[in-house]
Amino acid sequence: AQTVTQSQPEMSVQEAETVTLSCTYDTSESDYYLFWYKQPPSRQMILVIRQEAYKQQNATENRFSVNFQKAAKSFSLKISDSQLGDAAMYFCAYRLKTSYDKVIFGPGTSLSVIP
Amino acid sequence: ETGVTQSPTHLIKTRGQQVTLRCSSQSGHNTVSWYQQALGQGPQFIFQYYREEENGRGNFPPRFSGLQFPNYSSELNVNALELDDSALYLCASSPGRDRGIYEQYFGPGTRLTVT
Repeated sequence: AQTVTQSQPEMSVQEAETVTLSCTYDTSESDYYLFWYKQPPSRQMILVIRQEAYKQQNATENRFSVNFQKAAKSFSLKISDSQLGDAAMYFCAYRLKTSYDKVIFGPGTSLSVIP
Repeated sequence: ETGVTQSPTHLIKTRGQQVTLRCSSQSGHNTVSWYQQALGQGPQFIFQYYREEENGRGNFPPRFSGLQFPNYSSELNVNALELDDSALYLCASSPGRDRGIYEQYFGPGTRLTVT
């Protein structure tokens, strides 16, 4: 079965500090894409960062970076210098290269940022 | 460039009724996917349309059906509504396989409540 697990239903971080959100996934395929999406209270799902499974180098987008461990099927998100606007639900997800747009999402982690 | 839009924003229906939700894809996108997001959960893939044809389906019964039009706008139809159909329905479009791009761009969703 294709699944995504996010073991932290809720997390909090002090403004300007760093936080790491955990994610593990399960697939027998070797070629896929991994994503972190952010969903603020406005409900709009926004792509934060993506990683291609064949690339060993971890992706980075400004304050957001990932730690991709393919053998462990782990894909954690690190947010540096947290800002109030980072407060949202964060979803880890993946898509098999062969399945085009079918994205498998995890249950989400609710991130609170404390001023 | 216009983003993905969905209508209506909110909808209340009675069990047994039928509902149609609408999505306007981002300009230039020929692939649209629909997701159901129950409260407190991650989105679940319903189906995808590519160039007006269904191109993949998740674990949803046939009473969930869809259409994609020549202008790549899309509809999600749900017949014989059940209480468990209450959820946020998300539409996501992408340039699709033609351009080898895999990011999906999500709309703000339609909140459906079945009473």
